[in-house]
Amino acid sequence: KAGVTQTPRYLIKTRGQQVTLSCSPISGHRSVSWYQQTPGQGLQFLFEYFSETQRNKGNFPGRFSGRQFSNSRSEMNVSTLELGDSALYLCASSPSVAGGRDEQYFGPGTRLTVT
Amino acid sequence: AQSVTQLDSQVPVFEEAPVELRCNYSSSVSVYLFWYVQYPNQGLQLLLKYLSGSTLVKGINGFEAEFNKSQTSFHLRKPSVHISDTAEYFCAVIRYSGYSTLTFGKGTMLLVSP
Repeated sequence: KAGVTQTPRYLIKTRGQQVTLSCSPISGHRSVSWYQQTPGQGLQFLFEYFSETQRNKGNFPGRFSGRQFSNSRSEMNVSTLELGDSALYLCASSPSVAGGRDEQYFGPGTRLTVT
Repeated sequence: AQSVTQLDSQVPVFEEAPVELRCNYSSSVSVYLFWYVQYPNQGLQLLLKYLSGSTLVKGINGFEAEFNKSQTSFHLRKPSVHISDTAEYFCAVIRYSGYSTLTFGKGTMLLVSP
């Protein structure tokens, strides 16, 4: 089975622009979660989508949004980029059949640099 | 809410020496516990998990961890490390019930030198 894929792998944007990141989960996985990883704050949960519905949301401003398509692929969008949004954005998928017992499989991440 | 504390941000060790990476958690409800590893420029990979049963859990690459409920700890150990174990290690918890999300510690960088 192919793993979780994220595109693009690297991205450089300017302050004030917006960006869209994409995540393709493992085939058959219906849950997709997004995390932001920075040296200062570590790994922070952004949101989780399941069957095209946002099921959980972390403590991030409204500039961060996401969606999930019927094929479980997910996108996240960040509008009005700030320097502090520079981070590695990780996507994880899981079958989400057994709740917390399910392993989350992580993609390689998208490295976003805001200048 | 849950929280995870990884007591060491960096652990330097020589090759073939034993290592222990410490993790303590706080939660008002029962949780499952995980250790993930992140190699440079890669995503996270699951090392091992504690769901129930035996408190000693064995994972991949020779790692094991012991769940201690009274001390709310889940320390990761390896009896003999290799250069290739150099990576960042994350402890994480998730609530038993419902569909909650992983809460991660800040990570411990394991630096193995020859």
